[in-house]
Amino acid sequence: GAGVSQSPSNKVTEKGKDVELRCDPISGHTALYWYRQRLGQGLEFLIYFQGNSAPDKSGLPSDRFSAERTGESVSTLTIQRTQQEDSAVYLCASRITGPDTQYFGPGTRLTVL
Amino acid sequence: GDSVTQMEGPVTLSEEAFLTINCTYTATGYPSLFWYVQYPGEGLQLLLKATKADDKGSNKGFEATYRKETTSFHLEKGSVQVSDSAVYFCALWTYNNNDMRFGAGTRLTVKP
Repeated sequence: GAGVSQSPSNKVTEKGKDVELRCDPISGHTALYWYRQRLGQGLEFLIYFQGNSAPDKSGLPSDRFSAERTGESVSTLTIQRTQQEDSAVYLCASRITGPDTQYFGPGTRLTVL
Repeated sequence: GDSVTQMEGPVTLSEEAFLTINCTYTATGYPSLFWYVQYPGEGLQLLLKATKADDKGSNKGFEATYRKETTSFHLEKGSVQVSDSAVYFCALWTYNNNDMRFGAGTRLTVKP
């Protein structure tokens, strides 16, 4: 079956512009995560959606970052007024629920010039 | 809150050396524990897992034992290969908030 997909795969933008990144989780997966991975660095948790519960936004680094999820489907991560330090790979992951395997998407590589 | 802490890298070993990557956890209740691996240019994927104390997860020659008394889940392999070069992530899932949390990752480089 289809895995987690993300679009675009690459995004180059100018400092100060807004960007929107998309994640399509595996159908039926109630849990959805966004992470940031800077070059050569580990995973940085951003936000967690679980079903219809209020999302855990504790990892968002600033109010320029926001994310939405419609039901148990698509999620978008929006970065407003991008800065050069936002350059990274943004990973999305989904999980059906419970201690099941978490599946990661291929990521969106964001470059802010 | 619930979290995992893993040893900082990078770790560089020669082929056929013994590998240990330490992971300890803090959690209320009884978490499930995981190791994920990210090979160069690829996405993260599950390597192994253990869901209760004293369980041993194993895959591709890697092993990790869930030790409740030391709150640890160290990853081991007896003889590493160049193809094991990757970033390894420890993770835990807790029932309380149905949440999966990852460590920062440890980069392993194996030299021939």
